[in-house]
Amino acid sequence: QVQLQQWGAGLLKPSETLSLTCTVSGGSLSGYYWTWIRQPPGKGLEWIGEINHSGNTKYNPSLKSRVTISVDASKNQFSLKLRSVTAADTAVYYCARGTLNGGNSVFWFDPWGQGTLVTVSS
Amino acid sequence: SSELTQDPGVSVALGQTVRITCQGDSLRSYYANWYQQKPGQAPILVIYGKRNRPSGIPDRFSGSSSGNTASLTITGAQAEDEADYFCDSRDSSGNRVFGGGTKVTVL
Repeated sequence: QVQLQQWGAGLLKPSETLSLTCTVSGGSLSGYYWTWIRQPPGKGLEWIGEINHSGNTKYNPSLKSRVTISVDASKNQFSLKLRSVTAADTAVYYCARGTLNGGNSVFWFDPWGQGTLVTVSS
Repeated sequence: SSELTQDPGVSVALGQTVRITCQGDSLRSYYANWYQQKPGQAPILVIYGKRNRPSGIPDRFSGSSSGNTASLTITGAQAEDEADYFCDSRDSSGNRVFGGGTKVTVL
């Protein structure tokens, strides 16, 4: 059974770079879309972006200028960097595995990492 | 971009049936999925591809879709079903989008 374990710094100052890593255990990176999603306190979910095992990325247009998602296949890991953070970036950040099926019409996230609360405060 | 609209909250009596909806233009072309999130926990997938249930998800959870609306139905709601439920899909550019979430309260 595939499991995702994530870690990274939980407290940042404005203008710093958020950095999180997610390790995939029990399965391969191949054939999936490795995704970052965030959830501000008390609010809904926001897709940040994704990467496949070949390194092809897709980002939320609203965050694209500040986001980099990368993959390290040798370690079965993928990572998120979000530059120039502000208080508006305070959220629980989740990594998740995206699966595409059904002739490109079905795409879902499962499983998810445990989540990391990142707080941006001066 | 595309938006998915969900009602903020709904209540259901223990053992009764509740339907949660998710509306959006993208649902005419792409299937929705449904996630359950309990306080302090990561979301878990309960329905994918309109009506498929992952292993381990009780069969009281079911999905359907018509036009621009996807629905999640809980038949015989249990106390442990009290949670936030989010739908997701994609827009025409392939960007993933989530609904705002529906809080289900079991009375």
